[in-house]
Amino acid sequence: QVQLLESGPGLVKPSETLSLTCSVSGYSISSGYYWGWIRQPPGKGLEWIATIYHSGSTYYNPSLTGRVIISIDTSKNQFSLKLSSVTAADTAVYYCARITANLQFDIWGQGTMVTVSS
Amino acid sequence: NFMLTQPHSVSESPGKTVTISCTGSGGSIASNYVQWYQQRPGSAPTTMIYEDKQRPSGVPDRFSGSVDSSSNSASLTISGLKTEDEADYYCQSYDSSSHGVFGGGTKLTVL
Repeated sequence: QVQLLESGPGLVKPSETLSLTCSVSGYSISSGYYWGWIRQPPGKGLEWIATIYHSGSTYYNPSLTGRVIISIDTSKNQFSLKLSSVTAADTAVYYCARITANLQFDIWGQGTMVTVSS
Repeated sequence: NFMLTQPHSVSESPGKTVTISCTGSGGSIASNYVQWYQQRPGSAPTTMIYEDKQRPSGVPDRFSGSVDSSSNSASLTISGLKTEDEADYYCQSYDSSSHGVFGGGTKLTVL
């Protein structure tokens, strides 16, 4: 079955860049679907961050535009997130997910906790 | 900006029926599909309803979804409540630019 797994540093210093990768197994991301990132600060709700189509089209949360980049590497069957100039407010569990044509987040990774602290 | 607003919490007794609302603002909720996710502590969300009222395989028919354009809201109804239904529930849709939008989440307590 299709599985997604996030990876990346669990601790990032303020003002630095957070980098995460989502590895997809059981499905070739070049075959279709959208792929995206969502985050959840401790004790708070879900926030959509960014979406990328397998062809490379991208969509970003307006509140994060300018700091975030989503990219896709079909050769590695992975997609990635970079969030620059991080602050404590970026501390959250970061999830990657597969997104259907009707923009449903149908398969989620387990999530990875990222803490921004010096 | 298109936003979705949910009640912070709801509670009901086992066996009863509860409805969680999701009210849209800054646009028509009926213009795009609404999804509902369940999230238990320490776990990733899972889909309970997609495309307004469709249930993924494995989701019991005690869960149902609807959209009411007159009130610009969507609803998740859970009948025959079980203690295992206790969780956070999030509605989700998107705006005219295909940006994802989540409601703030509703904590369901089954007393």
